[in-house]
Order: sequence, then C-alpha cells, then structure tokens
Amino acid sequence: AQKITQTQPGMFVQEKEAVTLDCTYDTSDQSYGLFWYKQPSSGEMIFLIYQGSYDEQNATEGRYSLNFQKARKSANLVISASQLGDSAMYFCAMREREQGAQKLVFGQGTRLTINP
Amino acid sequence: SQTIHQWPATLVQPVGSPLSLECTVEGTSNPNLYWYRQAAGRGLQLLFYSVGIGQISSEVPQNLSASRPQDRQFILSSKKLLLSDSGFYLCAWSVRWGALRQTNARTSTDTQYFGPGTRLTVL
Repeated sequence: AQKITQTQPGMFVQEKEAVTLDCTYDTSDQSYGLFWYKQPSSGEMIFLIYQGSYDEQNATEGRYSLNFQKARKSANLVISASQLGDSAMYFCAMREREQGAQKLVFGQGTRLTINP
Repeated sequence: SQTIHQWPATLVQPVGSPLSLECTVEGTSNPNLYWYRQAAGRGLQLLFYSVGIGQISSEVPQNLSASRPQDRQFILSSKKLLLSDSGFYLCAWSVRWGALRQTNARTSTDTQYFGPGTRLTVL
C-alpha cells in the first residue's frame, strides 16, 4: 500500500522568507504522481503543483517548486518569498491508479503560519 | 472552464436522520468523481469514487452510500446518520484515465480538482 508522510505538523515562518514543507512517500510502483494541495481556512482544496515520477526536472509553478529526490523518495514543496496569504494547511498526495480511476492518498498535512 | 459545486455548504443533522449531499461538475464530460471526508485537523480519506454513471466503488465500509445518476452528478447519502459521520465532505473530479490526454509539465490528467466542501455536524 502506498503511504505519504508529512513530519511537520506546524511551521512558523517570517513573511518574505522561503519555506520548505517536507513530504516522503513509499511505493513499489515505477510510475506514480505526486501532488501538493493548499487548504485555507475556507476548506477548499487548491491544487498547487504536480510532479511525475519520470519527470527529470523539478516542477515549478510561480513561487512554488517541488524538490523531487526520487532515490530518497521525497517530494518537498518550496515556497519562495512567503506571503501572509500562504498561511494554510498543505497536503502532499500521491496518485495510485486502479480500475480507470486515479485515487489520491494524502498525508496528514502541515499547518503553515506566516508571521508579519 | 470547469467548475464543481457542492451543496449544502453546511448542515446540522440529528443522529438517525437521513443525509443527501450533492456534487455537480460543469464544463467537462465523463469525469471521474470522488467523495472524501476530512475529520478535524486530519488528512482526507477517500470514501467513494466513480468512473461512470451507475459505477460506484467504495473504499471504506460504513453507513454511507454514493450514487451517480447522471454523468456530472455525484450524490452521497445515508439512511441514518451516526455521530462519527460528522466532518468535512469534499467532492472532486478528474479527467477519466484513457481519455484524450493533454499533459504538460505543470499538471496531469491525474490531477483532482475539489469543490468547496460541505461541513456536516451530527448532534
């Protein structure tokens, strides 16, 4: 069974600093996908970034980048120049495919708080 | 563009009462649909997923059920709610695997897009 581990229950960062949110995964599949989602206090899950297991370059999306280290099975999210609006829960997830459906397995999340 | 709706946004129900949560998707056809539950301060747990009308797969045995009467409609139901059913319910959609693939470096056909959620409190 696939597993996602986020070891940081909470993170506190000063505004404008960069922050790294950790995510490690466990899978025996050769082909897999890794996702990061942001969940603000409103509750909606917002897709941030995706990394495929065969992608040779780290994914980037604006201020978000994914530090993908395949051998270590880690997929850390890096947020550059943090903003107050970045305060939220962040979830790492991995895709497993079964019977035509793409199922996501989520970690427990990290609560990020940006201080002014 | 695609949008996903859920209603109601909040719901307070007594133990033993029935439940019906609705999710609809606009702007896409033949999506995969998913129901998740999130307990307070926890991650998401997949409850049901569907790859087509009338096709439902259950992940966790419980007193909840799901139905997909139309291509872009997904309903979560219960005949009798339990206290443990309280939580935040999220519906999501994704492109069906095997459909026309337009992958790029930024996303994937595996990406799931979530609705705004329904906060259910069972008293």
